[in-house]
Amino acid sequence: NAGVTQTPKFQVLKTGQSMTLQCAQDMNHNSMYWYRQDPGMGLRLIYYSASEGTTDKGEVPNGYNVSRLNKREFSLRLESAAPSQTSVYFCASRHRGTYEQYFGPGTRLTVT
Amino acid sequence: QQQVKQSPQSLIVQKGGISIINCAYENTAFDYFPWYQQFPGKGPALLIAIRPDVSEKKEGRFTISFNKSAKQFSLHIMDSQPGDSATYFCAASKSQAGTALIFGKGTTLSVSS
Repeated sequence: NAGVTQTPKFQVLKTGQSMTLQCAQDMNHNSMYWYRQDPGMGLRLIYYSASEGTTDKGEVPNGYNVSRLNKREFSLRLESAAPSQTSVYFCASRHRGTYEQYFGPGTRLTVT
Repeated sequence: QQQVKQSPQSLIVQKGGISIINCAYENTAFDYFPWYQQFPGKGPALLIAIRPDVSEKKEGRFTISFNKSAKQFSLHIMDSQPGDSATYFCAASKSQAGTALIFGKGTTLSVSS
């Protein structure tokens, strides 16, 4: 079991460029989440998917879109990157009926 | 409005000492309160969690104390070790399917040898 995997690990973008962050889990979890982590801010929810086929906005959704491709995969897209989106992005998943969220290793994104 | 407030922002403790991190929440609908540990360059990992039907939970050197009436909970690390040096996050959530965690801003713990 790889758990939650994220690609890429690092990325540098120029302002206005687009990219997709990939997340996959092999634990047969129903719910998946995208968070961003900024110094002194903790982790803030961007979007989540309670189950396959559904997505909902979190606390900081502006500038992002998501796709729940199937039960395993949940991607995060930046259509036009801005320096304010420089952050570390974490994907997490959770099994129905349990509380624990399992986090991936993160993607460190820099927008110049 | 910050729903989960965590303090202190940073903490330095001597090896063998007790580390205490505090959190307060606002939403009385929260019914799950975990603590996550994060090492540099890694994702957060669940350390210990508590439901509001108990006032304390202990796992090894880690204890959560929970005060429902005060809407506060805390993490105590007994016999702190240099390997405990990390960032700790408290969080809260509701039990509805898919509900996300609301995190505190984190506490950076340094245990000096």
